Amino acid sequence: KAGVTQTPRYLIKTRGQQVTLSCSPISGHRSVSWYQQTPGQGLQFLFEYFSETQRNKGNFPGRFSGRQFSNSRSEMNVSTLELGDSALYLCASSTDRGLYPNTGELFFGEGSRLTVL
Amino acid sequence: SQQGEEDPQALSIQEGENATMNCSYKTSINNLQWYRQNSGRGLVHLILIRSNEREKHSGRLRVTLDTSKKSSSLLITASRAADTASYFCATIFTGAGSYQLTFGKGTKLSVIP
Repeated sequence: KAGVTQTPRYLIKTRGQQVTLSCSPISGHRSVSWYQQTPGQGLQFLFEYFSETQRNKGNFPGRFSGRQFSNSRSEMNVSTLELGDSALYLCASSTDRGLYPNTGELFFGEGSRLTVL
Repeated sequence: SQQGEEDPQALSIQEGENATMNCSYKTSINNLQWYRQNSGRGLVHLILIRSNEREKHSGRLRVTLDTSKKSSSLLITASRAADTASYFCATIFTGAGSYQLTFGKGTKLSVIP
């Protein structure tokens, strides 16, 4: 079974630009979560999607947004990039069947490393 | 804010020794999970321990959970160079409306061959 796939793996943007990151979950997984990892703040939860609906959201500004498609693939977008957005963005999927709350293990992709200049 | 706090922040041991990492958290939890991250890569799930469990084993891993002290420990026995990685504890709140996994800042383990 293929793992979680994130694209692109590396990208460089300049301040003010926008970026879209993609995540393909493990086949059959309907829950997709996104995390930002920086040396200073560590791993921080961005949002979680289940069956195309945002089910939970972390404490990030509105410049950070996401969506999930009917095939469970997910994208996240960051608009008006700032230097502080430089980070490793990790996507994770889980076997959540929709029972609240989701308490199971997460399967992570390798991440998309964003550098903002 | 981070729910879990790992201790120590960094740990260096010789191959074959045991490594112990601790995690403290602040609120009631549903379960606690440990993940490993090799440098700059994705996280890999190691073990999950539920709030009604006190100890769990998986291969060379032993996890304990003390809900009265709001703490957990991860023991890696007979460490290998390949165990060199960062280790994170993660918790899920049992409070209403919030159930995302919240990670600590991790323990960086170096196993010297």
